[in-house]
Parts: sequence; structure tokens; C-alpha cells
Amino acid sequence: DQQVKQNSPSLSVQEGRISILNCDYTNSMFDYFLWYKKYPAEGPTFLISISSIKDKNEDGRFTVFLNKSAKHLSLHIVPSQPGDSAVYFCAASDMIYNQGGKLIFGQGTELSVKP
Amino acid sequence: DGGITQSPKYLFRKEGQNVTLSCEQNLNHDAMYWYRQDPGQGLRLIYYSQIVNDFQKGDIAEGYSVSREKKESFPLTVTSAQKNPTAFYLCASSIPRHGWYGYTFGSGTRLTVV
Repeated sequence: DQQVKQNSPSLSVQEGRISILNCDYTNSMFDYFLWYKKYPAEGPTFLISISSIKDKNEDGRFTVFLNKSAKHLSLHIVPSQPGDSAVYFCAASDMIYNQGGKLIFGQGTELSVKP
Repeated sequence: DGGITQSPKYLFRKEGQNVTLSCEQNLNHDAMYWYRQDPGQGLRLIYYSQIVNDFQKGDIAEGYSVSREKKESFPLTVTSAQKNPTAFYLCASSIPRHGWYGYTFGSGTRLTVV
């Protein structure tokens, strides 16, 4: 039972354009969502997060949007740069009920930004 | 600098052997986690520990074992019972019950069965 899904395994974007990575979830108890970026043979690094009480969070070129009614979140990268090429993981947690803070990850989307 | 260290970076195992992957953190985090990454399957939780001397199974615990004798250390043993152990293994730590700080990940261990 995949509670967090990233249905696009890969995405290719031209440098300077917008990258939009999507994530769907099924558990309505999730109250915190995060995006991680991962390069090959390295551990993921935290990128941006959003609480379920918000619908948007912005950090420089990165913006995460949350649509609770659709159980959908997206990561926008504007403008995209070649250094953004990596695998992006969406993750979710139900902090209130899951005191351990356990994260559930999606399958990842490999972003390729072409010069 | 505080961080989380996994060793070795690459590990080769013969079939039928047990191997132990090391994970050490100096972030004073209570919780530690082990994930496995396979192509197309994302990160799947193997085991996690919220406190010393306590740990719980994740989604794919069969064929693995862990211990949490010290706050700083959470080694993972891949036993011969694990049918498909070749994968990239990631250790992470976090602060539970204190707001949300996300995970800090190690740089991973690539395990290959030969």
C-alpha cells in the first residue's frame, strides 16, 4: 500500500524554465510534508517542507504547494538550473499521531535540467 | 561538525554471509532509521529506533536485524535470510516530539552480493 506516490519517474526541463514535480498521498492523517533532493551515491538532503495548515511555502527558487482536498502536493523550481538535476523525493508524516516522526517516502522523480 | 556517518561506502558480500553496516551520529538525535533504496521503489523503511534499547520493524524488516545500545549508534546487520540484499542503504536520524526538523541522512552504503 503506497501511501505516498510520485507517478512520474523522470522529468526533463530546459534550463531557465519551470520544473514541476508532483506527489500524491492517500493518508488524510499526514500533517507535514517534505521534499528531499538526492544525487547519485549520496544521502538525500532536505529541500523544503510544508505543514498541513498552509497551502504554500516558498524558499528562493523553490515553492511547495499543498492541496489537501486533492491530497496532492507539488514542488516548483523556477528558474531551473543544471545543478538541480537530481532525484527528488516527496515525504510525509503524521506528526500528531506518530510521535516517532517516521517519514513515508515516494518513489522519487529524476529531474534532468538541460542547458 | 555534527553529522551522521555511514561506513563502509562500498561493501561486497558473498552469498550466505552476514554483514553489518555501521551508522554513527553526533547530532544528539533520539531517533534513527534505516532505509533501503532500489531503482523505481524509492526509500523503504527497514527498521527504526526512537530511543536507546528500543527499535521497531519497518515495512521490509525480514532478513535484517538492528541494535541500539548507544544513542549515537544504530548498526544494521544484513543476514543470509535476506533474499535480495544488493541495494543502496541509507541511515538517518531525527529529533522526534520536538516539532518537525526532518531527517539528516548519511551518505549511504552500497552493498553488493557477489
